[in-house]
Amino acid sequence: GNSVTQMEGPVTLSEEAFLTINCTYTATGYPSLFWYVQYPGEGLQLLLKATKADDKGSNKGFEATYRKETTSFHLEKGSVQVSDSAVYFCALLGGTSYGKLTFGQGTILTVHP
Amino acid sequence: GAGVSQSPSNKVTEKGKDVELRCDPISGHTALYWYRQRLGQGLEFLIYFQGNSAPDKSGLPSDRFSAERTGESVSTLTIQRTQQEDSAVYLCASSGSGGASYEQYFGPGTRLTVT
Repeated sequence: GNSVTQMEGPVTLSEEAFLTINCTYTATGYPSLFWYVQYPGEGLQLLLKATKADDKGSNKGFEATYRKETTSFHLEKGSVQVSDSAVYFCALLGGTSYGKLTFGQGTILTVHP
Repeated sequence: GAGVSQSPSNKVTEKGKDVELRCDPISGHTALYWYRQRLGQGLEFLIYFQGNSAPDKSGLPSDRFSAERTGESVSTLTIQRTQQEDSAVYLCASSGSGGASYEQYFGPGTRLTVT
């Protein structure tokens, strides 16, 4: 079946630092890949997505590239802000689990001024 | 337009009681999903409705859990004889299709606490 593994957190950074959150996946076929974000006290929202190999998803300064050869979809941001503090979830859709998202365990990011 | 809404936002219940959680999807969305998020963990898939097809119930953890959906509208998730391990945030999502590239829009969740 499908699975998603995220780097363990929590991650604590200073403002303007570079962020990488690793995500690797296991799936058959050609899944779509997503990063979701959950800000404190808010619901889950889509941050970015990529639907085929070598696609780059981007939003709010965050980027992730769908790498089929390494089965990875690492999230990066060049300069984080305090407002980026949240829980980040990597997820995939498709493969053997048509229609339902398979999530990683989530990574808590805290950014200090 | 309105997003996915869920009610109640919080529910505290005693062990052994039944609870019903409600989800109103985005109007026109044919696919509806229920997930569970236990403290400090990722989201677990529970059940998926797609149009008039038979639901995918493969994620329901026990026969105490059931869900219904009326047409392409409201869904209710019912947990019978609640246990403490059922305490979690229950999230509902909807999408325009059950296809692999369609974005799922999540509701704010219902936080269930079983005492």
